[in-house]
Amino acid sequence: AQKITQTQPGMFVQEKEAVTLDCTYDTSDPSYGLFWYKQPSSGEMIFLIYQGSYDQQNATEGRYSLNFQKARKSANLVISASQLGDSAMYFCAMRENYGGSQGNLIFGKGTKLSVKP
Amino acid sequence: KAGVTQTPRYLIKTRGQQVTLSCSPISGHRSVSWYQQTPGQGLQFLFEYFSETQRNKGNFPGRFSGRQFSNSRSEMNVSTLELGDSALYLCASSLAGYPRQPQHFGDGTRLSIL
Repeated sequence: AQKITQTQPGMFVQEKEAVTLDCTYDTSDPSYGLFWYKQPSSGEMIFLIYQGSYDQQNATEGRYSLNFQKARKSANLVISASQLGDSAMYFCAMRENYGGSQGNLIFGKGTKLSVKP
Repeated sequence: KAGVTQTPRYLIKTRGQQVTLSCSPISGHRSVSWYQQTPGQGLQFLFEYFSETQRNKGNFPGRFSGRQFSNSRSEMNVSTLELGDSALYLCASSLAGYPRQPQHFGDGTRLSIL
């Protein structure tokens, strides 16, 4: 079973509009972290935002915010005021904390975002 | 602060050969992880090293191996290359012991097998 599901293979958004990228996850570990990364065509993975399972507030980083709904096991990324440079692949990832180790990242399949001028 | 450095950026090999990829983590980061990215399988975890010890391993055959040196630099080796090993190999480093800290990725090594 997939641990991270991103149901939108591709999305289009008009420049300056907001867009939401969906992510649902599956874990039985009460302690976990959720990450969003951006991967431009150059290949580098760029960290955007983090949400811990015990965090009471939704994470925000500049134009990025995370809509964290723990009971529904969803962690959607919201990008406000889209820019042309936001066109890229976006990956949702989870890190489970087991046995005291931080554990590796488990990635979703990604969503390709295209921003239209 | 310098980021994660991976060398080489591109490699072309033939089936049956072996290859070694290198990764220098961000200064102070002691945890280094390797990932394989392909169009079909997406991003898959290979292994993680911390203090020269493999701490975690993904579901890859024994042809994939790695090591970490005392300065935290890491190498990944793939022996008896197969066509399916063509992929982008990403290295990531992080501050161990700080779960909120993200993994920081290098630009990757793009390996093509002919």
